[in-house]
Amino acid sequence: GAVVSQHPSRVICKSGTSVKIECRSLDFQATTMFWYRQFPKQSLMLMATSNEGSKATYEQGVEKDKFLINHASLTLSTLTVTSAHPEDSSFYICSAQDRGNTEAFFGQGTRLTVV
Amino acid sequence: GNSVTQMEGPVTLSEEAFLTINCTYTATGYPSLFWYVQYPGEGLQLLLKATKADDKGSNKGFEATYRKETTSFHLEKGSVQVSDSAVYFCALRGNYGQNFVFGPGTRLSVLP
Repeated sequence: GAVVSQHPSRVICKSGTSVKIECRSLDFQATTMFWYRQFPKQSLMLMATSNEGSKATYEQGVEKDKFLINHASLTLSTLTVTSAHPEDSSFYICSAQDRGNTEAFFGQGTRLTVV
Repeated sequence: GNSVTQMEGPVTLSEEAFLTINCTYTATGYPSLFWYVQYPGEGLQLLLKATKADDKGSNKGFEATYRKETTSFHLEKGSVQVSDSAVYFCALRGNYGQNFVFGPGTRLSVLP
């Protein structure tokens, strides 16, 4: 099946710094990418949807200035957590799909810890 | 809007026991239905899917049948193994290319 690579898998950063998470589709063109956040022992909460070449659509309650999403190419989307705080610590997962495909492929996830 | 409800765990079974994880959904139109599995510290992996009513998805001994009349997509396995210990998410995707909607997840622990 299709492969989505997410990097880094784990990151620890200091409060006030920014962290960038990359999501790459390795063998298909991802026209749409989704970013999710998962709290411990909870389900995935959609943060935003991005289509290549256009601005991301954020879900209600997600700060677009804090969680910057860039989908500059058909194989790469990035999520930047700006001015991170301990409450931003979480597991972030991306998924990607190509046009016309009912299935989305998930990255391995990134565990962010802000200290 | 679309929603997914699934039985909340944790579910603890002995090896070789029969597994059922219930999942029901609410959606307009004809969504596609999925089961994803998440092993500790990892992302989600597609386990199986069904795209229309009465379809049966199957993989690695797991099965689920798309039942439109009961709006259900229950996951079953006849004989679980310790390696099946994970969190299982039921999910749907609408038929207009919308994003996925996930259930809360069910944690399964299989004891030797």
